[in-house]
Amino acid sequence: GQQLNQSPQSMFIQEGEDVSMNCTSSSIFNTWLWYKQDPGEGPVLLIALYKAGELTSNGRLTAQFGITRKDSFLNISASIPSDVGIYFCAGQLGNTDKLIFGTGTRLQVFP
Amino acid sequence: NAGVTQTPKFQVLKTGQSMTLQCAQDMNHEYMSWYRQDPGMGLRLIHYSVGAGITDQGEVPNGYNVSRSTTEDFPLRLLSAAPSQTSVYFCASSYSPGASGGYTFGSGTRLTVV
Repeated sequence: GQQLNQSPQSMFIQEGEDVSMNCTSSSIFNTWLWYKQDPGEGPVLLIALYKAGELTSNGRLTAQFGITRKDSFLNISASIPSDVGIYFCAGQLGNTDKLIFGTGTRLQVFP
Repeated sequence: NAGVTQTPKFQVLKTGQSMTLQCAQDMNHEYMSWYRQDPGMGLRLIHYSVGAGITDQGEVPNGYNVSRSTTEDFPLRLLSAAPSQTSVYFCASSYSPGASGGYTFGSGTRLTVV
């Protein structure tokens, strides 16, 4: 099936550092979304991107929709302990109603 | 609003048993989906629905059945559970997955098949 390749798989950083993660695919997506999942909970939407080239911020988070529509990245600036969790990218595939998720980036933040 | 409600939160089944995972939303969303989450695999789409009476297969539909008789409910049925179906299952709903910022997720059902 369709896959979104998300990297890195995991990150261990110190509080205050910046973080960058990305998603790539061989398919074109109409929408890119970034979610965060806390332990024992469902994913929660962080940022939604709707146009190629779009750059959107939400507090310390910034995400971009790649020009080719086949990739996206998420940056977190000045990380804090509550940033710990699993981050997922997700894309709406072409003109379908399916939302496909990446494999996730597990983030650990040390004080 | 309760959002997306999944029951049960935990379940242990024996191989070959059947069960239904319940999902209900009170946001009048047309779109609903079921995902399973396995370590290192992310969230994989099992089945989805774009409205009452309409369902379609996702990436990993084998072994699962769904129906959508009402807008509010989207149950997932395991007809004959297998150990490979041990996973965390998430139900999600949306007004429009692409245009309105994706899905709202339930808190999950952790299923173990022994």
